[in-house]
Amino acid sequence: KNEVEQSPQNLTAQEGEFITINCSYSVGISALHWLQQHPGGGIVSLFMLSSGKKKHGRLIATINIQEKHSSLHITASHPRDSAVYICAVWSSGSRLTFGEGTQLTVNP
Amino acid sequence: KAGVTQTPRYLIKTRGQQVTLSCSPISGHRSVSWYQQTPGQGLQFLFEYFSETQRNKGNFPGRFSGRQFSNSRSEMNVSTLELGDSALYLCASSLDGGIYEQYFGPGTRLTVT
Repeated sequence: KNEVEQSPQNLTAQEGEFITINCSYSVGISALHWLQQHPGGGIVSLFMLSSGKKKHGRLIATINIQEKHSSLHITASHPRDSAVYICAVWSSGSRLTFGEGTQLTVNP
Repeated sequence: KAGVTQTPRYLIKTRGQQVTLSCSPISGHRSVSWYQQTPGQGLQFLFEYFSETQRNKGNFPGRFSGRQFSNSRSEMNVSTLELGDSALYLCASSLDGGIYEQYFGPGTRLTVT
């Protein structure tokens, strides 16, 4: 079992839909990243959080440390949101451990 | 501020050769981490350098090595390349290492034939 698991692996949505991507982890963590990777490989850090909730534009990230679970929400999805979304956790040894990623496709 | 840069962006090597990849962090950032991304294994941590010292290492064979210079630029080297080393190699810089925001470079896509 991977230390970091994401669901779903693939997600197809229509423009304007509300999207949720989930991340569960089995280790103790200090913080969690949500990353976005576009075709071509470049990775952008969307959020780093260790408790509660953060919002940036149409993106919202939440984390529940007790339940070892985080969610990334996208409101009013747009085709330009199409990308791979990756959850990564800071665990012991100060290293990032990554989930397998969620491929999101938003159709116009 | 300029972002993280990596050179070269693409590289084709033959099995058995060695390769050196370069990463220039954001100005003022002292930590550089390296990651390997493959379709089968996803993203995996290779190592982290901070102030010219390797501070953390992932579970990779000794063929993978790196170093950091006094200006925080970092290089990673892979010797005796294997077909399975074909991957996207990403570096990320952060202000001070540890649990800080990571800024990723565009990656170097290495193909081993």
